[in-house]
Amino acid sequence: GENVEQHPSTLSVQEGDSAVIKCTYSDSASNYFPWYKQELGKRPQLIIDIRSNVGEKKDQRIAVTLNKTAKHFSLHITETQPEDSAVYFCAATSGTYKYIFGTGTRLKVLA
Amino acid sequence: NAGVMQNPRHLVRRRGQEARLRCSPMKGHSHVYWYRQLPEEGLKFMVYLQKENIIDESGMPKERFSAEFPKEGPSILRIQQVVRGDSAAYFCASSPGKNQLYEQYFGPGTRLTVT
Repeated sequence: GENVEQHPSTLSVQEGDSAVIKCTYSDSASNYFPWYKQELGKRPQLIIDIRSNVGEKKDQRIAVTLNKTAKHFSLHITETQPEDSAVYFCAATSGTYKYIFGTGTRLKVLA
Repeated sequence: NAGVMQNPRHLVRRRGQEARLRCSPMKGHSHVYWYRQLPEEGLKFMVYLQKENIIDESGMPKERFSAEFPKEGPSILRIQQVVRGDSAAYFCASSPGKNQLYEQYFGPGTRLTVT
């Protein structure tokens, strides 16, 4: 069945350093890949997304890259700040519009 | 423009009782999705509905769980005869449909505790 693997499960970085989270998907029909940030007890918030016809997308300190051949996509956060600390989820979806989520990465930015 | 609304935010039920979770999508959104999040885990798809139609319920347990999205009013996720394993956060999301099917906006969730 459809599956999304996400690594690492936890990530600690020093403030100002970069953080990279990687996801791999199994369904080659997947064509939309959103990333969500979830703070403790809060709703998942869409922070960036990418469609399958694009290889990279950037929004200020956040970027996402997609390698369709290898079926993996990554989230890059540069110049991390303490407020970036949260759980980050990747997801993939195909024409069914059903999001398959990764298991999450708990990011800690150390001041 | 109000976001996706869910109520109640917290719900405590004893084993065997029924739980009713409500979701009002964003204005203009006609597609609703329900996800379940167990503690320290990711979100798992349960069901996808459009007005008066269940499109995909492949992630919803066959017994005790049901969902609806009536012509008028919120979408309802109903869990009958709750068990401790049903304790989780239940999130609903909505999307506009048509050319913006992919972007899903999440509500604040309902945290269900079964005692």
